[in-house]
Amino acid sequence: QSVLTQPPSVSAAPGQKVTISCSGSSSNIGNNYVSWYQQLPGTAPKLLIYENNKRPSGIPDRFSGSKSGTSATLGITGLQTGDEADYYCGTWDSSLSDVVFGGGTKLTVL
Amino acid sequence: EVQLVESGGGLVKPGGSLRLSCAASGFTFSSYSMNWVRQAPGKGLEWVSSISSSSSYIYYADSVKGRFTISRDNAKNSLYLQMNSLRAEDTAVYYCARDIGVGSAFDYWGQGTLVTVSS
Repeated sequence: QSVLTQPPSVSAAPGQKVTISCSGSSSNIGNNYVSWYQQLPGTAPKLLIYENNKRPSGIPDRFSGSKSGTSATLGITGLQTGDEADYYCGTWDSSLSDVVFGGGTKLTVL
Repeated sequence: EVQLVESGGGLVKPGGSLRLSCAASGFTFSSYSMNWVRQAPGKGLEWVSSISSSSSYIYYADSVKGRFTISRDNAKNSLYLQMNSLRAEDTAVYYCARDIGVGSAFDYWGQGTLVTVSS
């Protein structure tokens, strides 16, 4: 069981918008920054969002992040078939002194 | 261009040892904390260990504490993971990842090296 909870899968049509939730607690999301990663099939994870809502250079503004209390959300607009991937949230857990990840969400673009 | 290249993976018997290496280039290695993250076949990401830029701070996941040792050689731009007393559940692709410096986010990842623990 992952410390952070994500839905196993989400789906939407091309061009539409999707959100992926990540739920935690006060020891992790509630008091630490959240990051989001995209993992395309057979490849290494790629950083999409850091510090809750910042995008590294080269990441399109179709990807956005937000945080409220002990939950965080990744939003993807203008869905493309190339966005089909697994998405993971991550953060520091102050009680565990560990970096923790969500279990991952598989995005299907129908 | 930032590059992280892992090596050292392979097939090892339960109870055996393996040493992973990660060669870094394209950035000032000595300025960044580094991490090992693993992914079992068909499973999610699991953070394994982190080491600060000067090796002053080291952290391990409970699942590997006492069995794995992270280290780095800033003169050689290299990160290491010594893995002892390996178990079947350690079977995974092991990634090295650079810490962005804020919020435990990892901005560059290697391609990964597969470790298989099986008799």
